[in-house]
Amino acid sequence: GQQVMQIPQYQHVQEGEDFTTYCNSSTTLSNIQWYKQRPGGHPVFLIQLVKSGEVKKQKRLTFQFGEAKKNSSLHITATQTTDVGTYFCADGASGGSYIPTFGRGTSLIVHP
Amino acid sequence: EAGVAQSPRYKIIEKRQSVAFWCNPISGHATLYWYQQILGQGPKLLIQFQNNGVVDDSQLPKDRFSAERLKGVDSTLKIQPAKLEDSAVYLCASSFGDRGYEQYFGPGTRLTVT
Repeated sequence: GQQVMQIPQYQHVQEGEDFTTYCNSSTTLSNIQWYKQRPGGHPVFLIQLVKSGEVKKQKRLTFQFGEAKKNSSLHITATQTTDVGTYFCADGASGGSYIPTFGRGTSLIVHP
Repeated sequence: EAGVAQSPRYKIIEKRQSVAFWCNPISGHATLYWYQQILGQGPKLLIQFQNNGVVDDSQLPKDRFSAERLKGVDSTLKIQPAKLEDSAVYLCASSFGDRGYEQYFGPGTRLTVT
């Protein structure tokens, strides 16, 4: 099945700094989903990207889908302590044989 | 709307014992997923149901794990007998459809096998 790789595994930032996590696939993705999991919590859906080169924004979060639909990124501007958690990308395939596949996640630690 | 419900929230058992988890998805969601999340990793799909039929169970260790969704609503996941490596959080999720739809996760069951 699909493999989605995420980097970095951990990221420490000072509050106010920016943060980016990257998601890469060896094969073309139909679409990609991003989830956030707070410490001790469960994954919560953030967004889905479908189109090649798509860029979507949610307040301080910017999501991008690569032109080849093999990679994606999540960028947070001016991090806050409420951004702490693990961010997962997931293959959200919309056709054919499909096993939902999550990346390993990037854990964001924000230091006040 | 009510979210995905799971019980129990925590379970501690000894190896070789059996355990069962229950999940009630969001009303109207046809697709139900069971995931295993080991500490420090992303959720790994165990089984996916569409209504009461199995869509995929290729990653379910069928020698010890079983799951059912008899009436196409709630579901149970069972482990018998448990091994130490089964210690993980078991997440249930549901979605409106089976592909390309956002998944709503329950709070999970944290299983510790001693």
